[in-house]
Amino acid sequence: QQQVKQSPQSLIVQKGGISIINCAYENTAFDYFPWYQQFPGKGPALLIAIRPDVSEKKEGRFTISFNKSAKQFSLHIMDSQPGDSATYFCAASITGNQFYFGTGTSLTVIP
Amino acid sequence: DADVTQTPRNRITKTGKRIMLECSQTKGHDRMYWYRQDPGLGLRLIYYSFDVKDINKGEISDGYSVSRQAQAKFSLSLESAIPNQTALYFCATSDNSRTMTPNYGYTFGSGTRLTVV
Repeated sequence: QQQVKQSPQSLIVQKGGISIINCAYENTAFDYFPWYQQFPGKGPALLIAIRPDVSEKKEGRFTISFNKSAKQFSLHIMDSQPGDSATYFCAASITGNQFYFGTGTSLTVIP
Repeated sequence: DADVTQTPRNRITKTGKRIMLECSQTKGHDRMYWYRQDPGLGLRLIYYSFDVKDINKGEISDGYSVSRQAQAKFSLSLESAIPNQTALYFCATSDNSRTMTPNYGYTFGSGTRLTVV
């Protein structure tokens, strides 16, 4: 049973556009929600993370929006660039213990 | 040198063979994990270890075993490899003392691509 549901599976965006990836969860005990970025041939790397006491966190062009009542969170990539082309994973955990990952979104940014 | 090193990077093995994937880290982290990545399934946890004497099964541990030889070393074994264990395997580490910090996360290795024929 997938603890964290992620969509879409793939996404194509024009350079300069906004990329949006969505995740949903059921377990209300989750209290930490990181996003990972993975380039081909590499392991995933932490991109940005949020805790449920805030509704939004922004770091540069990357923003997490968090809706606790809907049990959903999303990653927004503003002004998307070809270098952002990668696979993105959302995840959730309880007090920083094991992470449950989504199924991943393959993002392609077209020049 | 990489913080988390996995060996080998690629391996092709035959059905029924025993194979070991190795992971070593220089981060000084106490927690280590093994995940497998399959297209459309994301990353799934096989085993994890919070310290040298602690080993825990993840969601897909059947057919796998692990050994935590030292704080810095965590090996994954496939006792009798089968084709549906063909996947990309990742080792990861994390620091128990930082779980409540704003950007707590895993450090992943570069992966081992395993093919079972």
